[in-house]
Amino acid sequence: KQEVTQIPAALSVPEGENLVLNCSFTDSAIYNLQWFRQDPGKGLTSLLLIQSSQREQTSGRLNASLDKSSGRSTLYIAASQPGDSATYLCAVKTSGSRLTFGEGTQLTVNP
Amino acid sequence: DTEVTQTPKHLVMGMTNKKSLKCEQHMGHRAMYWYKQKAKKPPELMFVYSYEKLSINESVPSRFSPECPNSSLLNLHLHALQPEDSALYLCASSQVPTSASTDTQYFGPGTRLTVL
Repeated sequence: KQEVTQIPAALSVPEGENLVLNCSFTDSAIYNLQWFRQDPGKGLTSLLLIQSSQREQTSGRLNASLDKSSGRSTLYIAASQPGDSATYLCAVKTSGSRLTFGEGTQLTVNP
Repeated sequence: DTEVTQTPKHLVMGMTNKKSLKCEQHMGHRAMYWYKQKAKKPPELMFVYSYEKLSINESVPSRFSPECPNSSLLNLHLHALQPEDSALYLCASSQVPTSASTDTQYFGPGTRLTVL
């Protein structure tokens, strides 16, 4: 059974800092890995999707990497801003219908 | 348009009430999902519809009854719920579930349900 772990569970940083969120998964047989953002009480917004054959994806200040063989992904956020404060969820696609989510990292960026 | 809409945004109901949650998408997706999310936990899959047919039921209690009347609409009918069913209910849609590595699910904003 696929298990996804995210470290740290919570992170508080000053504005402007570069930061890394970590995600690990136990079964390397994945189709893709996604990073989502969730604001309190809201839905999930897809940030980046990395296909199983890819190593990284970039969007603006965000960069996500994937090492499928070691079962790891990182989300790098450059020059963090208070508006980046949210919960970040990592999810792996293990079948046509199933996403397995991590528990999330709650990020707070302080002005 | 990459939007999934859900109504209502908030719902408070008693344990004897019957209510429904509604989800709509106009992206031409043929797969739609219901998830339940408790506070500070990741979403848990409840149901999957593929081509308007129920393809996955994750052993959800019968007090939750899904319905997919057409390819754009997904309902979740609620009856005789328990206080522990209080949660954020999220709807999502995607292209027909396949092994495509490019496929992603688009999530709605959710319905915050409180059962008294």
